[in-house]
Amino acid sequence: DSGVTQTPKHLITATGQRVTLRCSPRSGDLSVYWYQQSLDQGLQFLIQYYNGEERAKGNILERFSAQQFPDLHSELNLSSLELGDSALYFCASSAQTSLLAGANVLTFGAGSRLTVL
Amino acid sequence: DAKTTQPPSMDCAEGRAANLPCNHSTISGNEYVYWYRQIHSQGPQYIIHGLKNNETNEMASLIITEDRKSSTLILPHATLRDTAVYYCIVRVNGDSSYKLIFGSGTRLLVRP
Repeated sequence: DSGVTQTPKHLITATGQRVTLRCSPRSGDLSVYWYQQSLDQGLQFLIQYYNGEERAKGNILERFSAQQFPDLHSELNLSSLELGDSALYFCASSAQTSLLAGANVLTFGAGSRLTVL
Repeated sequence: DAKTTQPPSMDCAEGRAANLPCNHSTISGNEYVYWYRQIHSQGPQYIIHGLKNNETNEMASLIITEDRKSSTLILPHATLRDTAVYYCIVRVNGDSSYKLIFGSGTRLLVRP
């Protein structure tokens, strides 16, 4: 158990629907990262939050949005789902206490597998 | 942003050392090299990181060349459970972001 909790583990839905994926970071970690991994594809960085604020954005579609709540858990919202959105969605967290902190190790959750039919 | 180049696949015999190379010729002075691995569809697992000096932990050793343009991850006694995709990553520095950009990685197959 990495300490990063993602729910649900599996989700099957239909095209056009909307889903919410949830992530609870490791205790004490302030940063949350979301990644997407399609079948046999690499990990694509989507977005990062630090202590409730958006800090970095990757190739995240406009149909996707995320937020980090005061208790530091994060949600990734995926709307108007398409077949191509079927993927594993990973959340990671890190302490990231300072820009001068040097190394910053990400701890990943087990992922949420989304299947769009 | 520094990029990394890794061979797409490698194999080694169980019990032997696995040496996974990574080229990062455009790395800048304050960028760390990180290694992660992903076993099947599990979440990526942190292995080790380094800046200039060689590093060792319970999982692996990291050898960084003096010019920092390349590194090698060494799994001293590979087991079947080490079969995975191994990612060499140079941390991207943003305004206040420590995001890691994953490449294609090296698919390591440990043979019995």
